[in-house]
Formats: sequence, C-alpha cells, structure tokens
Amino acid sequence: DIVMTQSPGSLAVSVGERATINCKSSQSLLSRSNNKNYLGWYQQKPGQPPKVLVYWASTREFGVPDRFSGSGSGTDFTLTISSLQAEDVAVYYCQQYYTTPLTFGQGTRLEIK
Amino acid sequence: EVELVQSGGGLVQPGGSLGLSCAVSGFPFSRYWMHWVRQAPGKGLVWVAHIHIDGKLTTYADSVRGRFTISRDNGKNALYLQMNSLRVEDTAVYYCTTVVDGRGYWGQGSLVTVSS
Repeated sequence: DIVMTQSPGSLAVSVGERATINCKSSQSLLSRSNNKNYLGWYQQKPGQPPKVLVYWASTREFGVPDRFSGSGSGTDFTLTISSLQAEDVAVYYCQQYYTTPLTFGQGTRLEIK
Repeated sequence: EVELVQSGGGLVQPGGSLGLSCAVSGFPFSRYWMHWVRQAPGKGLVWVAHIHIDGKLTTYADSVRGRFTISRDNGKNALYLQMNSLRVEDTAVYYCTTVVDGRGYWGQGSLVTVSS
C-alpha cells in the first residue's frame, strides 16, 4: 500500500496569512501514460463528509476559492491557502488514487491564531 | 450532478450485524471502482473495502476481512456493505466514495455505533 505522510499535524495561522500543508507519498503518484499526479486534497468540517478542493494535484475544483492551490509532483505535494479566512478552519487530508487501496494522510487540523 | 446517498447504520450490540447502502447517480456507475472508507470518532480517514467494476474482485482491510462483505448491483446503481460480527472498534462514520476523472465523490456518511 502507498503510505501518505502529511505534515504538520496541526497548524495555527492568523487571518490573512498563508497556510501551507505538505504531503509525501511512499512512491511516485505520477503516471507516465498521462503525465498526471493521482493526488487529491480534501477539506473536512465537523459532521460533514470530505469535500474535494484540488485533484490531479493542482486542479482546483469548481467553486473552490482561488486562495486554495495545490502543487508538487512525484512524491512531494503541497496545499497552500494564500490568505486564510475564518471559514477555512477545518481538517485537511491528502489522498492518493494512483492505486488501490485508496490511502490518506493523517490529516492537518487548521486553526486561527 | 453526481450524488451518493447512503442509508443504513445505527446502534448495534457487539457481535451483531448491520448493512449499509449507497445509491449512486450522475455518472456511469458500472464503469468505476467503488470504496467504503470509515472514520472513527475524532480520527482520520481509513479505507475499509473496495470492489471492481464487475463486482467479482473485492479487497478488504485486515481489520474487517472475513466479517464485512462489499457488493454492488450495477443494474440498480447501488453499493452495499454487510457488516457481521461487529466489534466496539468498528464504531465509526462509514462513507461510500469513488473517484471519477480525478475527482473524489463521497456519500453523506452513516454512523455505526457498536455498544452494549
């Protein structure tokens, strides 16, 4: 199974400041056939299912504010929130779908400082 | 619009059984692998089981193998999880999920509580 290692486990950032979450996979998520990275980022708020923010490592989902961006390739990925808003308080997960079983990072709890 | 609507779940005693369903619409269900993922209270997301498009290939996490059965009905666009010999540690919110063209789609979640 592919192991996803996410850091930090928790993060406190002031409103308007940048938040950065990292995710590392135990093997490359880059497909040579289509040059895509099989990595998604999710936001989860209490009592709700995960909501996709970014897929293919850097494609922002429709309706997601442009302050959210994903980057990286191969085994190292980053989710950046350029200017944190109060409504961004949540737990964030990375997920690989390069191969089964689906595996997830441990989650990053993002709070307001 | 893609929708995954779950039903089932509830409170059951240790050793009991429970079934979950997931009704799918908005994409060609029979062309995609389907998965169950669970989340224990205050914990992260953990894969439980998945099923191939034709329903013949299934794989389970070690923690549930031999007790849980995943199945699908492509004619009804439905996914199922039958849970037997339930343990206290199976207490969690269970999600059906799939990935379509890179996007992950999730059901609303079903709470399963195993307690005496």
